[in-house]
Amino acid sequence: QVQLVQSGSELMKPGASVKVSCEASGYTFSGYAMNWVRQAPGQGLEWMGWINTDTGNPRYARGFTGRFVFSLDTAVSTAYLQISSLKAEDTAVYYCARGYYGSGIDYFDYWGQGTLVTVSS
Amino acid sequence: QSALTQPPSASGSPGQSVTISCTGTSSDVGGYNYVSWYQQHPGKAPKLMIYEVRKRPSGVPDRFSGSKSGNTASLTVSGLQAEDESDYYCSSYAGNDNLVFGGGTKLTVL
Repeated sequence: QVQLVQSGSELMKPGASVKVSCEASGYTFSGYAMNWVRQAPGQGLEWMGWINTDTGNPRYARGFTGRFVFSLDTAVSTAYLQISSLKAEDTAVYYCARGYYGSGIDYFDYWGQGTLVTVSS
Repeated sequence: QSALTQPPSASGSPGQSVTISCTGTSSDVGGYNYVSWYQQHPGKAPKLMIYEVRKRPSGVPDRFSGSKSGNTASLTVSGLQAEDESDYYCSSYAGNDNLVFGGGTKLTVL
């Protein structure tokens, strides 16, 4: 069965970097896009962008350029989200989500369990 | 892109029907049939309930249905059950490799 398993919660200091992993199983990793979604405490879902798991080409949503980097290790079917120069406002749960892409970004059918990143001094 | 507009809350009694709206523009909801709806229980990951405006993934009860008219999409939950109490989010393709979510609606079963 399809599973996306994310790395555990992180407590980070402002200015540090964090790397969240999302290990996929149960399907051909390169056959589906991987998306990242942020949810700040008590807030809604915010699409951060996606990475083409076939080419490795990332696409970042507005507001997620510069400090946010999507990457892959296809050998272990894992996607990564790295956030640098962490700020308090980066405190959120970060989800990876398998995306189906038709002639545009369509839907997210499987989601990871979420990774809580807390930024605090 | 601005977030799609959803009512903050909706409610209904068990057995009743409730409809949640999701309003965008001709550049997102109105321009594409790539509207999805997600259910999210507290502390859990979102779950896909409707995709491509009105299609249901396997395992989603047929009490959940989707529709679209112009720039507004809707999710209707018929025969409300206690377990339907949750947060619901819509999303839409917005062109140029972009996607936008709605602000979310908290559905309460009275």
